[in-house]
Amino acid sequence: GAGVSQSPSNKVTEKGKDVELRCDPISGHTALYWYRQSLGQGLEFLIYFQGNSAPDKSGLPSDRFSAERTGGSVSTLTIQRTQQEDSAVYLCASSLFSREQYFGPGTRLTVT
Amino acid sequence: GQQLNQSPQSMFIQEGEDVSMNCTSSSIFNTWLWYKQDPGEGPVLLIALYKAGELTSNGRLTAQFGITRKDSFLNISASIPSDVGIYFCAGPLNAGGTSYGKLTFGQGTILTVHP
Repeated sequence: GAGVSQSPSNKVTEKGKDVELRCDPISGHTALYWYRQSLGQGLEFLIYFQGNSAPDKSGLPSDRFSAERTGGSVSTLTIQRTQQEDSAVYLCASSLFSREQYFGPGTRLTVT
Repeated sequence: GQQLNQSPQSMFIQEGEDVSMNCTSSSIFNTWLWYKQDPGEGPVLLIALYKAGELTSNGRLTAQFGITRKDSFLNISASIPSDVGIYFCAGPLNAGGTSYGKLTFGQGTILTVHP
């Protein structure tokens, strides 16, 4: 079956522009996570959706970051007024309830 | 959130050699996870550990959950070229967390295997 997919795979944007990153989780998975991976670093938790519960936004680095999950499936991570320090690989993962997380290939964001 | 210290940062070994890497935390973990990440891909779960002292194998990989619950080790035996990649330890972000839930990751160990 299909795994977690993310789009675009690469995004180059100018400083100050808004960007939207998309995640399609594995069908039927109830939990969805966004992480950020800076060059040579481990993954940093951003936000977590579990079923119909309010999302856990405790990892979002600033109010320029937001995420939605529509219909309990597809999620969009939005970064407003992008800064150069936002450059990173943004990884999405999904899981059945809070079990093993399956990661997508990521979106490499470059802010120039 | 909890912080994980992973070492070594990188390893260069010959094919056939055994490899060992470890992860430590200043706080107690109830779950330890080991992931591998290939270039341009997301991490893939290799081994999950749930109990102090637990030793679990997955093929040539063996991982242990330290008795103190503050460390974990991953060993790879008889390395092969496809073992190349970045290995991460991970655990629940919040102290006392037992579910997979939101995770905190170590900085990663970059493994290079020379044929």
